[in-house]
Amino acid sequence: NAGVTQTPKFQVLKTGQSMTLQCAQDMNHEYMSWYRQDPGMGLRLIHYSVGAGITDQGEVPNGYNVSRSTTEDFPLRLLSAAPSQTSVYFCASSPGTGADYGYTFGSGTRLTVV
Amino acid sequence: AQSVTQLGSHVSVSEGALVLLRCNYSSSVPPYLFWYVQYPNQGLQLLLKYTSAATLVKGINGFEAEFKKSETSFHLTKPSAHMSDAAEYFCAVSKWTNAGKSTFGDGTTLTVKP
Repeated sequence: NAGVTQTPKFQVLKTGQSMTLQCAQDMNHEYMSWYRQDPGMGLRLIHYSVGAGITDQGEVPNGYNVSRSTTEDFPLRLLSAAPSQTSVYFCASSPGTGADYGYTFGSGTRLTVV
Repeated sequence: AQSVTQLGSHVSVSEGALVLLRCNYSSSVPPYLFWYVQYPNQGLQLLLKYTSAATLVKGINGFEAEFKKSETSFHLTKPSAHMSDAAEYFCAVSKWTNAGKSTFGDGTTLTVKP
């Protein structure tokens, strides 16, 4: 059971480039989300999805797009990378939208924008 | 709105000493509360959660936390620290009215001295 798988683990982009961070889960979880982690700022919610075909914005959505065509996959797209998007990105999932579930996290993607 | 405040960004204890990591929450409705642990270069792992059943919650690796409504607190404790407990710890809050979205604290780094 792989859990939540994120690829790539590391990425360096030039300002203005675009890329997609991949996230896949094999637990049939309904709820998936993307967070970014910056030093001293905890985790901030970028986008989330409560099921296939349904997505919504979190706290810091600007510069990012998501889609959810299947239950398993929830990719995060950076449209035009900026140095402010240098961060560690985590994908997380839970069985449903019940607030008491808690999350399963992937191991993260460390992104540097130069 | 919901939020958590973790008091102390760094906590240092000696091996065998009591571990106490502080978390206070703010929520307009009864909250669900979580503690996660993050080891270096890894994703977050759920340690324990409070979901209104019992106020004293036991988790993995010998950790426990007590929900105190009167103090709006959910402090994490472990009677005897081990070197392997060195990590970053995050408190998080969610509520049933918020579609499962969790809000995280800024994190507390625990150092264990031999």
